[in-house]
Amino acid sequence: GENVEQHPSTLSVQEGDSAVIKCTYSDSASNYFPWYKQELGKGPQLIIDIRSNVGEKKDQRIAVTLNKTAKHFSLHITETQPEDSAVYFCAARSPLGGTASKLTFGTGTRLQVTL
Amino acid sequence: GAVVSQHPSRVICKSGTSVKIECRSLDFQATTMFWYRQFPKQSLMLMATSNEGSKATYEQGVEKDKFLINHASLTLSTLTVTSAHPEDSSFYICSARRGGLLGGGELFFGEGSRLTVL
Repeated sequence: GENVEQHPSTLSVQEGDSAVIKCTYSDSASNYFPWYKQELGKGPQLIIDIRSNVGEKKDQRIAVTLNKTAKHFSLHITETQPEDSAVYFCAARSPLGGTASKLTFGTGTRLQVTL
Repeated sequence: GAVVSQHPSRVICKSGTSVKIECRSLDFQATTMFWYRQFPKQSLMLMATSNEGSKATYEQGVEKDKFLINHASLTLSTLTVTSAHPEDSSFYICSARRGGLLGGGELFFGEGSRLTVL
């Protein structure tokens, strides 16, 4: 099955700096890669996603890049703010499971934005 | 994004009792919902896939008689932890898939339910 690795496990940046979180996946058939932000005691919130037919997607301060050949994708947050502090999870989904296809999550990155 | 509501957000129960957690998709229909379990500072572990009108599919190692899942409508799935014990204490999170054919579509999560078994 799919295996997703995520790095780093913790990341501390100063307010205004950029943050980059990287993930690799093992199943070359995976074609959907969402990123989730989880605040303490809450459920994950979808912040951006990318499909395998594009290499980059941007939404304001957040961007995701995908390299299918290398099987890795990254989350980029620019101009970080204290409210960006949270745990971020990447995920990958293979289409091979049909209607039961499910997400495989990375291990999470705890981002702390300091003043 | 779409809204998925989960209830209750917190529940404390005595050992041996059963607890039901509800997951509702408020503004879309979800033929497929997923139930996850999350331990502190860890990732989400998929427990089961809930399909409307059919039996749930459980992941390896998850006891189907322990964690009963019902997906009776396109907007509601329930997870019942039967005869709960302290080791069942955890953060349970549901998600609902919006749209997409053959497994596609975006996944939206509920706010989670923290279960504490005394």
